[in-house]
Amino acid sequence: GQSLEQPSEVTAVEGAIVQINCTYQTSGFYGLSWYQQHDGGAPTFLSYNGLDGLEETGRFSSFLSRSDSYGYLLLQELQMKDSASYFCAVDTGRRALTFGSGTRLQVQP
Amino acid sequence: DTAVSQTPKYLVTQMGNDKSIKCEQNLGHDTMYWYKQDSKKFLKIMFSYNNKELIINETVPNRFSPKSPDKAHLNLHINSLELGDSAVYFCASSDAGEPGANVLTFGAGSRLTVL
Repeated sequence: GQSLEQPSEVTAVEGAIVQINCTYQTSGFYGLSWYQQHDGGAPTFLSYNGLDGLEETGRFSSFLSRSDSYGYLLLQELQMKDSASYFCAVDTGRRALTFGSGTRLQVQP
Repeated sequence: DTAVSQTPKYLVTQMGNDKSIKCEQNLGHDTMYWYKQDSKKFLKIMFSYNNKELIINETVPNRFSPKSPDKAHLNLHINSLELGDSAVYFCASSDAGEPGANVLTFGAGSRLTVL
């Protein structure tokens, strides 16, 4: 079976840096993605790691270690609008993504 | 111009009824999906279609029947609704290509409430 573990909730203050971890156990692995979902909204794509290492997109970075079955999303210079749920998702090559249970990020002033 | 649009946005109905949700994408993608998001926000794949062909049916009860008339449309019909079917249903699409480059674009979701 497939399982992805991520913390259920993280709280941080504006301007800070926060890291959301994701560990996975899947049969087949092609890459790890991250999605953001605001309350009442749709999940939207943030980043993708197919190879080990760090990918940077503006204030957001994502890291993958395939040997450790581990990745994280790093959010810098936090803003109030970053308050949302963040999901890691694994591409197992089945033409669908398997999502983690989501991490609710609360950014406080 | 909405990329993935699904209707209706809200559905409130009684147990035992039948309902449908429609989805259309104008991105030219070859793969479409239905995901179910429960009250704990867990996003679970239900179905995946590639060029109108069913490729994933994730042990969903056969009360749920997807239909893809063409690669831009994927509808979901649900028979004999049960309380546990209450959830937000998301349609999504992607241009899957080779495995590992799969970026999903989601619709706004359809919130189904079964009373």
